[in-house]
Amino acid sequence: GAVVSQHPSRVICKSGTSVKIECRSLDFQATTMFWYRQFPKKSLMLMATSNEGSKATYEQGVEKDKFLINHASLTLSTLTVTSAHPEDSSFYICSPPGQGASEAFFGQGTRLTVV
Amino acid sequence: AQSVAQPEDQVNVAEGNPLTVKCTYSVSGNPYLFWYVQYPNRGLQFLLKYITGDNLVKGSYGFEAEFNKSQTSFHLKKPSALVSDSALYFCAVRPMDTGRRALTFGSGTRLQVQP
Repeated sequence: GAVVSQHPSRVICKSGTSVKIECRSLDFQATTMFWYRQFPKKSLMLMATSNEGSKATYEQGVEKDKFLINHASLTLSTLTVTSAHPEDSSFYICSPPGQGASEAFFGQGTRLTVV
Repeated sequence: AQSVAQPEDQVNVAEGNPLTVKCTYSVSGNPYLFWYVQYPNRGLQFLLKYITGDNLVKGSYGFEAEFNKSQTSFHLKKPSALVSDSALYFCAVRPMDTGRRALTFGSGTRLQVQP
């Protein structure tokens, strides 16, 4: 299956700072990447879809200016949490989209803690 | 719109006993159905999927799931639970007919297998 590397796995930052999370596709070219957020004891919620060469598509209710998503190349998508607040603390996971009947694969996830 | 329900937040079972993790779904048209497992601070690992055909699907680590169209269910099962099966399990759906590629997840069920 598709190999996706997500970095960092854990990050602690101070309120007001920005944090960048990287998602790299190691053995395939990804024109699209999904970014999910997982709250404690909750399901994964799709935040946005990054698209190589065009603007990201955000789900309803997700702040575009807070969660900056960039798809710099066919192997790299990034999520930047800007001016982080403690309520942004969460587990963030990237996933290249499966299609049709194919299963999706996921990065290892990033545990963000804002103090 | 599609949705997935996992009615149990937690399932407790003794090692060696059979386990069932319940999932029901709602989707327009026919579904692709998936089960994923998540260990602490890790991404999701694919277990199995239903595409079409045989209603009993066999997957990784001895897990299987039964698709029931009339009950719109896709319960995950294992004949004999192991302590190492303790983890968070997610059911997910992707509509077959809409072209939507993102998965819609259930809320997750924590499986606790006691020695």
